[in-house]
Amino acid sequence: DGGITQSPKYLFRKEGQNVTLSCEQNLNHDAMYWYRQDPGQGLRLIYYSQIVNDFQKGDIAEGYSVSREKKESFPLTVTSAQKNPTAFYLCASSFGNNEKLFFGSGTQLSVL
Amino acid sequence: GQNIDQPTEMTATEGAIVQINCTYQTSGFNGLFWYQQHAGEAPTFLSYNVLDGLEEKGRFSSFLSRSKGYSYLLLKELQMKDSASYLCAVSDASGGSYIPTFGRGTSLIVHP
Repeated sequence: DGGITQSPKYLFRKEGQNVTLSCEQNLNHDAMYWYRQDPGQGLRLIYYSQIVNDFQKGDIAEGYSVSREKKESFPLTVTSAQKNPTAFYLCASSFGNNEKLFFGSGTQLSVL
Repeated sequence: GQNIDQPTEMTATEGAIVQINCTYQTSGFNGLFWYQQHAGEAPTFLSYNVLDGLEEKGRFSSFLSRSKGYSYLLLKELQMKDSASYLCAVSDASGGSYIPTFGRGTSLIVHP
């Protein structure tokens, strides 16, 4: 079955630690996105990529980094510079601009 | 930039009809999406409107008025499983990227 897979489902980060969230899709989508969701808030865009080896900052990119070395994969690293990382992180993909998004099942990140 | 406004929470009775409104302000409107998100799960696509009017899809319909910057999602014959958060997202072409911006979501609680 085609789909978009995020792992892990739950992740804990220690002070000063970088952690990486995985996102893989086999839908042959060109565009991939990372959103952050806090309780009572909408989805806020962290980074997006419309093509391999290219990505753009979203509204809240500070403290995060991404790579897009393969079409199928768009990992997100939450760095130690992100002082409030506790949130639900959602990865999404689409065929292209202005197309509906397909979401992964999310990763809940918490700070120890 | 964009400003997207939805009610925070709504309640309704099983079998009834409920209308969830979304108003937006954007300089380069290029479409509006509705997504459903159950607690702790990924959002799933419900509808897309780019032209004025009503789009009907089973129990769910979505309406758009571009001149008024207004959309609504209409849910008929409510079922308990419709209890979820409903996210309005607007695609803006002004920056050239068409990346959708999400509202805060409306939490719908369906009572027996």
